[in-house]
Amino acid sequence: EVQVAESGGGLVQPGGSLRLSCTASGFTFSSYAMHWVRQAPGRGLEYVSGITRNGGATYYADSVKGRFTVSRDNLKNTLYLQMGSLRPEDVAVYYCVREEYNWAYYFDYWGQGTRVAVSS
Amino acid sequence: DIQMTQSPTSLPASVGDRVTITCRASQIINKYLNWYQQKPGKAPKLLIYGASTLQIGVPSRFSGSVSGTYFTLTISSLQPDDFATYYCQQSHSFPRTFGRGTKVEIK
Repeated sequence: EVQVAESGGGLVQPGGSLRLSCTASGFTFSSYAMHWVRQAPGRGLEYVSGITRNGGATYYADSVKGRFTVSRDNLKNTLYLQMGSLRPEDVAVYYCVREEYNWAYYFDYWGQGTRVAVSS
Repeated sequence: DIQMTQSPTSLPASVGDRVTITCRASQIINKYLNWYQQKPGKAPKLLIYGASTLQIGVPSRFSGSVSGTYFTLTISSLQPDDFATYYCQQSHSFPRTFGRGTKVEIK
């Protein structure tokens, strides 16, 4: 069974850092691009960041560019999101997402999310 | 970045209604448009990819279509389990952007 599970969320002060992890199982992790999507309380879905299968290319939303870094360890089947210079507007549930390709790209498996809170 | 304009924001409806949600891309994205359903406190669920291909296990009352840069999600006969928020998302280029969502609620 395909599963992705996020961890590492929590409360951090403004300007602080946090690293999220996403552990994958039930599929060949190195064969899939992976992404992070977030959802602020009461708001819609926002694309955050993504990384190709071998980590050779990364992508970021303008809102996090220069502050967040996505990476992966294919030997550990784990995706990471290093978050820095955190702001109140980064408060959200962060989802780890697998991207499938079957003539089109789409997010087919989502984790349950991990909450990030930013407050002094 | 590609902007996705989704409408309406809220859609009051009754069981049995035919429901249509629209999403427009700010530039040509061919058929690279996906639809997701999200219920409160849950992760989104993929319904349709490539504008019109139904994900495995999704009921056939859901369908998608495209005309130029306009995409439509249709629920042919709304069921109680379908009251949720729906999002479109383009997968033509990075960053993968979402529409703002349409909440289908009980009329």
